[in-house]
Amino acid sequence: DAGITQSPRHKVTETGTPVTLRCHQTENHRYMYWYRQDPGHGLRLIHYSYGVKDTDKGEVSDGYSVSRSKTEDFLLTLESATSSQTSVYFCAISEGASGVGNTIYFGEGSWLTVV
Amino acid sequence: AQKITQTQPGMFVQEKEAVTLDCTYDTSDPSYGLFWYKQPSSGEMIFLIYQGSYDQQNATEGRYSLNFQKARKSANLVISASQLGDSAMYFCAMRELSNTGNQFYFGTGTSLTVIP
Repeated sequence: DAGITQSPRHKVTETGTPVTLRCHQTENHRYMYWYRQDPGHGLRLIHYSYGVKDTDKGEVSDGYSVSRSKTEDFLLTLESATSSQTSVYFCAISEGASGVGNTIYFGEGSWLTVV
Repeated sequence: AQKITQTQPGMFVQEKEAVTLDCTYDTSDPSYGLFWYKQPSSGEMIFLIYQGSYDQQNATEGRYSLNFQKARKSANLVISASQLGDSAMYFCAMRELSNTGNQFYFGTGTSLTVIP
């Protein structure tokens, strides 16, 4: 199993509060991703990182920010949580090698409920 | 346009039978990768199988095979001899190489139920 740890795994928060989800990897992979999963939408990319301090937006980035100050850590922040951000959040990593080495591996997910 | 399309929201299969889950993709990149993942009710995403765009043969991993039809841009997953433990959501995904590196796109998933 890929060494990916997400924290917290479950969180209930109130509308308008800031929330930070943490992803920690022990694989030294270059690429890290944050996805959200919602019924009927599959997995949608929020933000990704292609190196330390190098990040870019995905298709559903509004309301989210990220930071990567170390290879192993990728933080996702909801500046002011809204009910529409209730979702399951997955962190993922990819080595960036050729062929099957480009496989993306997922953390166990973080269940976030905004009330 | 959708990068990955899975048109079967739900599928049923009898135990021990084979089942095909459909996936079509859209890309103009000559170099890409195709993946299938399984998500059981416990929620984790499990990598099943990979097919590279230049691979001449269809990928196989145990009871899983990927029916790769490049001209049709389809990458269907075939599960042979279905087992009760195969009941799960299945996601098709594609990797493209952008100017910042790997981009992965996922379909909306197919829910497979194996009937005893």
